[in-house]
Amino acid sequence: QVQLRESGPELVKPSQTLSLTCSVSGDSISSRRYYWTWIRQPAGKGLEWIGRIYSSGNTNYNPSLESRVTISVDTTNNQFSLRLTSVTAADTAVYYCARVEDWFDPWGLGTPVTVSA
Amino acid sequence: QSALTQPASVSGSPGQSITISCTGTSSDIGRYNYVSWYQQHPGRAPQVIIYTVSNRPSGVSNRFSGSKSGNTASLTISGLQAEDEADYYCSSYTSSNTVDWVFGGGTKLTVL
Repeated sequence: QVQLRESGPELVKPSQTLSLTCSVSGDSISSRRYYWTWIRQPAGKGLEWIGRIYSSGNTNYNPSLESRVTISVDTTNNQFSLRLTSVTAADTAVYYCARVEDWFDPWGLGTPVTVSA
Repeated sequence: QSALTQPASVSGSPGQSITISCTGTSSDIGRYNYVSWYQQHPGRAPQVIIYTVSNRPSGVSNRFSGSKSGNTASLTISGLQAEDEADYYCSSYTSSNTVDWVFGGGTKLTVL
């Protein structure tokens, strides 16, 4: 059974960098059938696609975040990561990682990140 | 404002059927069959219940069904049960604005 698990700090100060890692088990992140994505959800609000990465390292990002976001892949450790720079309170959300074929499945449990001094 | 438009809320009584609409454009729902639906209970991660317009993953009840017509996709839940009360999100692949995927704003289903 494929499982994804997000990890990283739950509290980040304004203007600093948010860094999260998604660890994948039960599947190889190098699989050509899938790619890998980050999605976030502010409290009480809807889902926002952040970006995706193939095992080759090819990426695409949401234009609204593109200047601040980097997604990278670590095939050795079967994980991929999210970096979001210059965070503000607007970046406070639950962050999910997910595997993508032509739909998102499975999802990680999600990790809450709060941006506050 | 979300790229796909869903009603904010729907409700129904146990045993009834409800339909949630998801309206996009000719760049997403109208162009691709990569429409999926997700169920999210409070405090939990979303889970796929319909993929590629009308397919159900293994383990998902056949009370859930999906369809598409033009730029609008629909999720129908028949024989409503209390456990169906949740938020539902649609998603579609898109060729607009360099974004790969767009979501609807979500629909809160209340089982009366």
